[in-house]
Amino acid sequence: AAGVIQSPRHLIKEKRETATLKCYPIPRHDTVYWYQQGPGQDPQFLISFYEKMQSDKGSIPDRFSAQQFSDYHSELNMSSLELGDSALYFCASSLVGLAGARDEQFFGPGTRLTVL
Amino acid sequence: KQEVTQIPAALSVPEGENLVLNCSFTDSAIYNLQWFRQDPGKGLTSLLLIQSSQREQTSGRLNASLDKSSGRSTLYIAASQPGDSATYLCAVMEAAGNKLTFGGGTRVLVKP
Repeated sequence: AAGVIQSPRHLIKEKRETATLKCYPIPRHDTVYWYQQGPGQDPQFLISFYEKMQSDKGSIPDRFSAQQFSDYHSELNMSSLELGDSALYFCASSLVGLAGARDEQFFGPGTRLTVL
Repeated sequence: KQEVTQIPAALSVPEGENLVLNCSFTDSAIYNLQWFRQDPGKGLTSLLLIQSSQREQTSGRLNASLDKSSGRSTLYIAASQPGDSATYLCAVMEAAGNKLTFGGGTRVLVKP
């Protein structure tokens, strides 16, 4: 079965640079979520999109922005990178549908971002 | 603000023993609860999803119970195997919104 695809899998950046992370949800899933997992920490919710509209927002820094495109893939844009942004970034997807059901979230393998 | 706690933080058992992992949450107004497995440096694999109206879910050797009123869920893994060694995370989705709030995880080691 198709899973959530994230690219790149690994990314190394210098401080103050920008990074773009991509997420391709499971086919027919309409909702994507972004989570950040720092070293030794549990995943923290950043932001989610349903049908290309932002549906929920968590502890996402103002330096980060995200969007969901017409093909439902999503991109997380990170600017002015800081050392503390080094983490594993997960994308998850689920099928919400017209009835608004909030179903199981399936996670991708993550993008490991290292800021030097 | 929802807070999710998992006890114990780490667990080591000999192969064949049953595993009992605990998860507690402070706000009982949840929509569902998910249990995940995470191998070191890897992604999250969904194990079980329990809707707020359910009391338990089973999948193979895994059984998860939910007591929403007391803010608790327990994951049971029967007849543990070395391949079960991983970190297990529980996460709750609140009644409003669709984000998951995670616990700190329980790191499990099953010794052959």
